[in-house]
Amino acid sequence: DVKVTQSSRYLVKRTGEKVFLECVQDMDHENMFWYRQDPGLGLRLIYFSYDVKMKEKGDIPEGYSVSREKKERFSLILESASTNQTSMYLCASSQRTGRNSPLHFGNGTRLTVT
Amino acid sequence: DQQVKQNSPSLSVQEGRISILNCDYTNSMFDYFLWYKKYPAEGPTFLISISSIKDKNEDGRFTVFLNKSAKHLSLHIVPSQPGDSAVYFCASLNNNAGNMLTFGGGTRLMVKP
Repeated sequence: DVKVTQSSRYLVKRTGEKVFLECVQDMDHENMFWYRQDPGLGLRLIYFSYDVKMKEKGDIPEGYSVSREKKERFSLILESASTNQTSMYLCASSQRTGRNSPLHFGNGTRLTVT
Repeated sequence: DQQVKQNSPSLSVQEGRISILNCDYTNSMFDYFLWYKKYPAEGPTFLISISSIKDKNEDGRFTVFLNKSAKHLSLHIVPSQPGDSAVYFCASLNNNAGNMLTFGGGTRLMVKP
């Protein structure tokens, strides 16, 4: 079974802090994704990566960056946290993109920025 | 503007009855559709999908219907069980645009015993 592990379940940070959200997958998947989930807005794609050291912007990349130094690990970075970044963050991975490769999600990190 | 919309934020159904969750999309380039289910404190899990060349796909108690002309899909759960209580997200895929999923806002289903 695919396992996607997010390092923190809950985080509370102050405005202006640099925040790192870590995600590790154990199935040698090519693709990794970061989403945020907000009520009524569903899941919105922040960044994704097709390969090591490769990254692509999603629909809402502003205020975020990512790092993929190893295949199994994909980090989301908030350079200077703001209150509008309070949200549930979900990491996902897939073997490949497209219809035959469903996303496998981690359990999420609920980030509160005060 | 949201390209995938789930207009009902919540739905309450009695155990044993049918649950019908609806989803509308605006992008005619979407050609594959998925439903994900999310329990509290867990990530979404894939439930069922349908290609645009079909109008129905069934998997046990779950059936997804696609009406391309109306740009509408629905998920039917029959019979509904209390364990089906969760948030359901529909998602759409555009094969010609990097195969990235676009998600709807979700519908919270509550199945009462």
